[in-house]
Amino acid sequence: GENVEQHPSTLSVQEGDSAVIKCTYSDSASNYFPWYKQELGKGPQLIIDIRSNVGEKKDQRIAVTLNKTAKHFSLHITETQPEDSAVYFCAANDPGNQFYFGTGTSLTVIP
Amino acid sequence: GEEVAQTPKHLVRGEGQKAKLYCAPIKGHSYVFWYQQVLKNEFKFLISFQNENVFDETGMPKERFSAKCLPNSPCSLEIQATKLEDSAVYFCASSQSHNEQFFGPGTRLTVL
Repeated sequence: GENVEQHPSTLSVQEGDSAVIKCTYSDSASNYFPWYKQELGKGPQLIIDIRSNVGEKKDQRIAVTLNKTAKHFSLHITETQPEDSAVYFCAANDPGNQFYFGTGTSLTVIP
Repeated sequence: GEEVAQTPKHLVRGEGQKAKLYCAPIKGHSYVFWYQQVLKNEFKFLISFQNENVFDETGMPKERFSAKCLPNSPCSLEIQATKLEDSAVYFCASSQSHNEQFFGPGTRLTVL
């Protein structure tokens, strides 16, 4: 089955700096890669996603890149703000349509 | 509705008691997924439904866990004879296309 690894597990950045979170996956047939933001005591919120036929997608301060050859994808947050502080999860959707989640990155944005 | 609704928010059970959790998917979404989140991080897939039919149950501990999605009713996840290790937050998600999954706020189950 699919195996998703996520790094780093914790990340602290100064407000205004960029944050990058990276994930790798093992199943080359996986074709959908969402990113979720989970705030304390809440459910994960889909913030951006990318499909395997696209290399990059951007939505305001958030962007995701996908390298299918290397089987890795990354989340980029620019001009970070304190409200970006949360746990971020990547996931990969395998052909059997099951989601496999990374182990999460706890992002702290220091004002 | 426009959001996935989960009830109750918190559930406390003594070891060996039954626990039942409910999920109302977003209106128009035909896929429902259940996940277990332990220790705030790892998401473990339990089961998914396409309408009222089980789509994938490879993650379900079959001995004590069961789930249903019946027409015109919230979906449910039931744990018979709860154990301490069942303590977790249980999330439900729904999807229209089996790609974008939208999560509910979760039910925190504490087994004492």
